[in-house]
Amino acid sequence: DAKTTQPNSMESNEEEPVHLPCNHSTISGTDYIHWYRQLPSQGPEYVIHGLTSNVNNRMASLAIAEDRKSSTLILHRATLRDAAVYYCILRPSNNAGNMLTFGGGTRLMVKP
Amino acid sequence: KAGVTQTPRYLIKTRGQQVTLSCSPISGHRSVSWYQQTPGQGLQFLFEYFSETQRNKGNFPGRFSGRQFSNSRSEMNVSTLELGDSALYLCASSFPGGLGAFFGQGTRLTVV
Repeated sequence: DAKTTQPNSMESNEEEPVHLPCNHSTISGTDYIHWYRQLPSQGPEYVIHGLTSNVNNRMASLAIAEDRKSSTLILHRATLRDAAVYYCILRPSNNAGNMLTFGGGTRLMVKP
Repeated sequence: KAGVTQTPRYLIKTRGQQVTLSCSPISGHRSVSWYQQTPGQGLQFLFEYFSETQRNKGNFPGRFSGRQFSNSRSEMNVSTLELGDSALYLCASSFPGGLGAFFGQGTRLTVV
C-alpha cells in the first residue's frame, strides 16, 4: 500500500477549526483516502473518506488536493472530545475488505 | 444497532499458554478483520475473514490463527504465548464492498 506522512502531533484550542494534513505523494489513481481516529481507550473510528472531490459529513470535511498528493482533514470546531490520534490511510479500490495499513497518525491535543 | 463486540475485554495469561479471543461483528457484516496494537509497532493488520475464508493475512508468525463461523462471528487464537504478544487486539467488521470499517473496543491481553 502507498505510504502516508502525517505530523506526529498538533495542538488546537477548543471551538477553533483544526486542519490535519496528510501527504501521500505516491498515491495511485484508484486509491481512496480514508481517515480514522482513535480516542483514548477505544478502537479506531471511521471519520471520512474520499477519492477526488472534497467531502463533508457530520463529523468533518476532507479537502483533497487537485493532484491528490495531499489531503487535509478539517474539524470545523474542535471540542475536547476530539482529542485523539488521527490516521490517514490509503485504500486501493480493489481492496474490498478491511486490510488497512495504519501509520503513526497525528495526536491531536485540544486545549480548553 | 449493536456495534462490534469483543470478548473478553481484559485477559492475563502466562508465557507458553494459548488464548482465544472472540469478535461478534455488526449484524449483516460478513467481513471481519483483526489487528494488533502495541506502543512500539502501532496498529498492525493480522488477518481478515470473509464468508468463513481467510482473505488476507498480515506478517505474523503461524502462532497467530483465526477462523470465522457461518454467522460471521470470528475468533483468533494465539498459541505458545510470548511476552511480546502483550497488546490490544482489535476486531473490525464491514459490509461486503463497504468502504468503512467499524472497530470494537478491543481485548487487552497481558502475558506474564
